[in-house]
Amino acid sequence: DTGVSQNPRHKITKRGQNVTFRCDPISEHNRLYWYRQTLGQGPEFLTYFQNEAQLEKSRLLSDRFSAERPKGSFSTLEIQRTEQGDSAMYLCASSLHGSSYEQYFGPGTRLTVT
Amino acid sequence: RKEVEQDPGPFNVPEGATVAFNCTYSNSASQSFFWYRQDCRKEPKLLMSVYSSGNEDGRFTAQLNRASQYISLLIRDSKLSDSATYLCVVAQTGANNLFFGTGTRLTVIP
Repeated sequence: DTGVSQNPRHKITKRGQNVTFRCDPISEHNRLYWYRQTLGQGPEFLTYFQNEAQLEKSRLLSDRFSAERPKGSFSTLEIQRTEQGDSAMYLCASSLHGSSYEQYFGPGTRLTVT
Repeated sequence: RKEVEQDPGPFNVPEGATVAFNCTYSNSASQSFFWYRQDCRKEPKLLMSVYSSGNEDGRFTAQLNRASQYISLLIRDSKLSDSATYLCVVAQTGANNLFFGTGTRLTVIP
């Protein structure tokens, strides 16, 4: 399977714990995006990388959230001191430079904070 | 005000029916427009781009009205497999992220 992959697919954690998610984009894609989706809503943009550089962050990305893409390939999204409001589906997408609007999404990581 | 507004539905239609979804966008600088499809508990997938002249892909027709900031999707001869949530998506000039509507849920009934 050469699509976008995400791990884990599901994560249940207790409030206050830290969690980390991983995204592996399509191999030739140099742009990588993180979105969050809650029930009944469309995905909301969190942050974007071009290669290893994080070029844009949404106001939704509080100080408890950090994302990295150290070698310009896979990316991680960490949430520190999780809150119940962080429960959502975290989606990763990738695209080629020059066709950045054609984004291909991974299956997502569903986070439940209890 | 939300960037993209859609009627969440649900739309319940019989097989073979024609159904239309609409959405409006708030930023006149928006440059690119799309319809994505999302099945239950799955990721969004690009259904089609929307061009100024309108475009058609099989049973699906998308139209854009820049003056009214309005996008539409028409599905003809609905199939059971068309049941999904249809997300209206907009990208702004110079922006790298997509703005999604809340989605319109369609159920095609046998």
